[in-house]
Amino acid sequence: SQKIEQNSEALNIQEGKTATLTCNYTNYSPAYLQWYRQDPGRGPVFLLLIRENEKEKRKERLKVTFDTTLKQSLFHITASQPADSATYLCAYYSGGYNKLIFGAGTRLAVHP
Amino acid sequence: DTGVSQDPRHKITKRGQNVTFRCDPISEHNRLYWYRQTLGQGPEFLTYFQNEAQLEKSRLLSDRFSAERPKGSFSTLEIQRTEQGDSAMYLCASSQGVAGGNEQFFGPGTRLTVL
Repeated sequence: SQKIEQNSEALNIQEGKTATLTCNYTNYSPAYLQWYRQDPGRGPVFLLLIRENEKEKRKERLKVTFDTTLKQSLFHITASQPADSATYLCAYYSGGYNKLIFGAGTRLAVHP
Repeated sequence: DTGVSQDPRHKITKRGQNVTFRCDPISEHNRLYWYRQTLGQGPEFLTYFQNEAQLEKSRLLSDRFSAERPKGSFSTLEIQRTEQGDSAMYLCASSQGVAGGNEQFFGPGTRLTVL
């Protein structure tokens, strides 16, 4: 079955450092990967989308890479701030863009 | 239009009762999705509408669950004879349906607690 895996353990980093989150997928080759941010008690918020023919995508302090050989996407937040503390979810569309398959998310805590 | 809205935000019910949730998508979006999320997990797909047509349902959606989207606008998700295992956050999302993996816009969710 299609699976998408993210580090289940929380990531704790110091303010100003770069946070790197990992997303691995198996048994599928998605054309797109998406990253979402979710704060407690709220719905996910879209951050970035990367296509299979794109190696890297940037938006302000965010950077996403997509390695179709390794079946992996990395999500980077540079110059991290306590306000970046949240759960970050990766997801891809499965078959016909009818549904997103999500990973379990990685909780990021940025400490002052 | 400020985004996807859901009502109620919280619902506490007793086992065996029926509940109904409402979702109002972004007005120009023709695609609407329902997901369920439990603690420590990502959202799990339940069902998808394109306009008023329900085009896909997950195996998670048992016979006790039904969803509608009359006239292709708002949607309702009903759970009959609720069970404690139904306790979760129910999320609605919408997107503009063109080819390609477009972003989905999520509502704040309805948190269901079944006692």
